[in-house]
Amino acid sequence: AQKVTQAQTEISVVEKEDVTLDCVYETRDTTYYLFWYKQPPSGELVFLIRRNSFDEQNEISGRYSWNFQKSTSSFNFTITASQVVDSAVYFCALSEPRDDKIIFGKGTRLHILP
Amino acid sequence: DAGVIQSPRHEVTEMGQEVTLRCKPISGHDYLFWYRQTMMRGLELLIYFNNNVPIDDSGMPEDRFSAKMPNASFSTLKIQPSEPRDSAVYFCASSTAYNEQFFGPGTRLTVL
Repeated sequence: AQKVTQAQTEISVVEKEDVTLDCVYETRDTTYYLFWYKQPPSGELVFLIRRNSFDEQNEISGRYSWNFQKSTSSFNFTITASQVVDSAVYFCALSEPRDDKIIFGKGTRLHILP
Repeated sequence: DAGVIQSPRHEVTEMGQEVTLRCKPISGHDYLFWYRQTMMRGLELLIYFNNNVPIDDSGMPEDRFSAKMPNASFSTLKIQPSEPRDSAVYFCASSTAYNEQFFGPGTRLTVL
């Protein structure tokens, strides 16, 4: 069965520090998709990234980077030089082609302290 | 292009009343999902549609909940009768196959 684990329930860091959010997934399929979403205090869910299982290259987008490692079934998210506006709940998610649903982790609440 | 549109954004009602939440998916998306988010239970998938047909409603909590998608551009989630424990934020999301879901702004429902 699919499963997504975000072991860090809540993290607090001081502004400008780097922070990594962990995500570990379980799937029996060789083809699958991984996602990260951000939910800021305003409440909307914002799509950040989608990665398919055949693309293990790390992705960088500005201060955001993602480290996908199939060997450890992890898809971690790093924010470099964090800013107060990065404060949000971040969700990791997984889907498999044979199932139209996305399975979300329980989220990590990130506090960036000024 | 407009994103997923939900209405109302906020709804306050009294226990026992009927509540109808509305969603307009992104044009061209053939999947539509309804989620509920609470502090206690997190983000829960209630039901989803493909090409207007309900595919999986196993997340619908009780018979008091029903959802319809009469056409590709409109869906409703109805709660009748509503109860205080239904208070939550309800999200609608849409996508194409195997792709990311785009979420609406949510409807914050409070049942007194």
